[in-house]
Amino acid sequence: AQKITQTQPGMFVQEKEAVTLDCTYDTSDPSYGLFWYKQPSSGEMIFLIYQGSYDQQNATEGRYSLNFQKARKSANLVISASQLGDSAMYFCAMRENPPGGADGLTFGKGTHLIIQP
Amino acid sequence: DTGVSQDPRHKITKRGQNVTFRCDPISEHNRLYWYRQTLGQGPEFLTYFQNEAQLEKSRLLSDRFSAERPKGSFSTLEIQRTEQGDSAMYLCASSPEGVEVEVAFFGQGTRLTVV
Repeated sequence: AQKITQTQPGMFVQEKEAVTLDCTYDTSDPSYGLFWYKQPSSGEMIFLIYQGSYDQQNATEGRYSLNFQKARKSANLVISASQLGDSAMYFCAMRENPPGGADGLTFGKGTHLIIQP
Repeated sequence: DTGVSQDPRHKITKRGQNVTFRCDPISEHNRLYWYRQTLGQGPEFLTYFQNEAQLEKSRLLSDRFSAERPKGSFSTLEIQRTEQGDSAMYLCASSPEGVEVEVAFFGQGTRLTVV
């Protein structure tokens, strides 16, 4: 079973509109972290926002917010007032905490977001 | 700029040749990760170093893949006897230890094409 599921392969959004990118995850670990990264065509992965499994409030970073619904295992990214420069691939990722220490991130397949003028 | 640096950015090689990629992490970061990203997929975790110790290597794709971080600073990823299926973007990331939120910062990657 996939650990991170992003159901939207691509999205077209009008400039200045808000956009929600979906992410569901699967883990039995009580302690985990959820991340969103942006990957423009240049290839670099740019960190956007983080949500810890024990965080009581939804994370926010500028125009980015994370709609965290723990019972549904959902961590959707919301971008407010979209801009042309937001056009990119967006990846949801999870870090679990296995015995023995930190491990790498598990990524979803991504959503290709295109902002239209 | 003190971000994660990867070299080369692009590599074209013939099938059967060996290739080596280099990653220079952010200087104060003691954790270093390698990922592979194929077309249309998210990055796939390969291996992880804490300082010079390789703490996770079971995810390396085959025994043709090996990674080193000899002095706990830069790291190299080597692929021996390359195959066409090895064509992908190879990403390196680094993160600090002992912070409340351990965010991995990525380099721009090395794009490998095996012909």
